[in-house]
Amino acid sequence: LAKTTQPISMDSYEGQEVNITCSHNNIATNDYITWYQQFPSQGPRFIIQGYKTKVTNEVASLFIPADRKSSTLSLPRVSLSDTAVYYCLVVRNTNAGKSTFGDGTTLTVKP
Amino acid sequence: GAVVSQHPSRVICKSGTSVKIECRSLDFQATTMFWYRQFPKQSLMLMATSNEGSKATYEQGVEKDKFLINHASLTLSTLTVTSAHPEDSSFYICSAGGFQETQYFGPGTRLLVL
Repeated sequence: LAKTTQPISMDSYEGQEVNITCSHNNIATNDYITWYQQFPSQGPRFIIQGYKTKVTNEVASLFIPADRKSSTLSLPRVSLSDTAVYYCLVVRNTNAGKSTFGDGTTLTVKP
Repeated sequence: GAVVSQHPSRVICKSGTSVKIECRSLDFQATTMFWYRQFPKQSLMLMATSNEGSKATYEQGVEKDKFLINHASLTLSTLTVTSAHPEDSSFYICSAGGFQETQYFGPGTRLLVL
């Protein structure tokens, strides 16, 4: 499974757009890119998943370039409650979802 | 979205005792579930893959005789920590798969071994 690399931490202010980039140079053809959010003492919460180009839902957008070696999670107008750890995972659809968590990005939103 | 529950949410036990943690997929069936362990300030570490109707597969370094996994139905997997010791104190999280193998995680179980 492809290893992912993300910034360890990021700071932002309320109301700003936050973009977190993840690199996954060894991504395979049948791998999907999935992002999760985790608060302390809680299980990770699914945010968004994509294969290529752009995916958007009610909470975030995911941008994936043509070579798929990286992806960017975009959180519009963050609030204090978005302070959390964000994980980027590469999931193989022939592996029942088995994936390896990287270190994640700790996002701190300040007032 | 898919919902995964865990029980108990927190457990405190004495060293040497066994603890069972349940993971349930509430609104979908899961032939495969995963068990993770997370220590403070660290990422999730995959322990094992729970397969319905067959033996679990364990990641390297995880003792299968210490962490017993049973996946007796399509909605329930259990993790039993046998002869627990203080170093087994951790946050245990399960997940189950959905569309395009998206994993949905349970809320986690905090285990404290005294």
